[in-house]
Amino acid sequence: AIQLTQSPTSLSASVGDRVTITCRASQAISNSLAWYQQTPGKPPKLLIYDASTLPSGVPSRFSGSRSGTDFTLTINSLQPEDFATFYCHQFNNFPITFGQGTRLVIK
Amino acid sequence: QVRLVESGGGVVQPGRSLRLSCAASGFTSRNYGMHWVRQAPGKGLEWVAVIKNDGSKTYYADSVTGRFTISRDNSKNTLFLQMNSLRAEDTAVYYCAKDVRQEAAALDQWGQGTLVTVSS
Repeated sequence: AIQLTQSPTSLSASVGDRVTITCRASQAISNSLAWYQQTPGKPPKLLIYDASTLPSGVPSRFSGSRSGTDFTLTINSLQPEDFATFYCHQFNNFPITFGQGTRLVIK
Repeated sequence: QVRLVESGGGVVQPGRSLRLSCAASGFTSRNYGMHWVRQAPGKGLEWVAVIKNDGSKTYYADSVTGRFTISRDNSKNTLFLQMNSLRAEDTAVYYCAKDVRQEAAALDQWGQGTLVTVSS
């Protein structure tokens, strides 16, 4: 199975900061990667798909990029509602896999 | 408005079976793949299974292969997960999720989840 390794595991930041979360795939997955945001007690919310596409309704401060097997989620100008746990997800190969998650907390 | 509502969770003894359902509304479900994803208490997300839009293909996580079966009834806009030979490590919130495509891609809509607890 393809392993997705997210870094960092935990991150503290302030409102207005710019943060970057990385997801490294253990083998090539093309652009078959998505990012999700999850707050406690809620289901995940899709933020980015196909590595860099924003679904309708997702704020433009969220962006995604890819360099080889490294994928990046960037959040510009953090807002209070952005503090959550973020997961990457590959759907290029079965079994589908998720990263272990990155927890973003307020500094 | 897309809505996914899971049901069928509860407390079950190890080795027993449980069937989850997910009622879909607000979209043409036969056009999209559907998934089950689970989350053990305090843990991350684990993909469980996917079924193609027309039900012709299914894929499973290694941890559930041979024990769980995903199916769908497009005439009733309902997704199912039959879970047999349940183990303590199957304890989790089970989410159904809609794919953006017909088979396996990103998951753009999620239900609120149903809790399955496997305990004697």
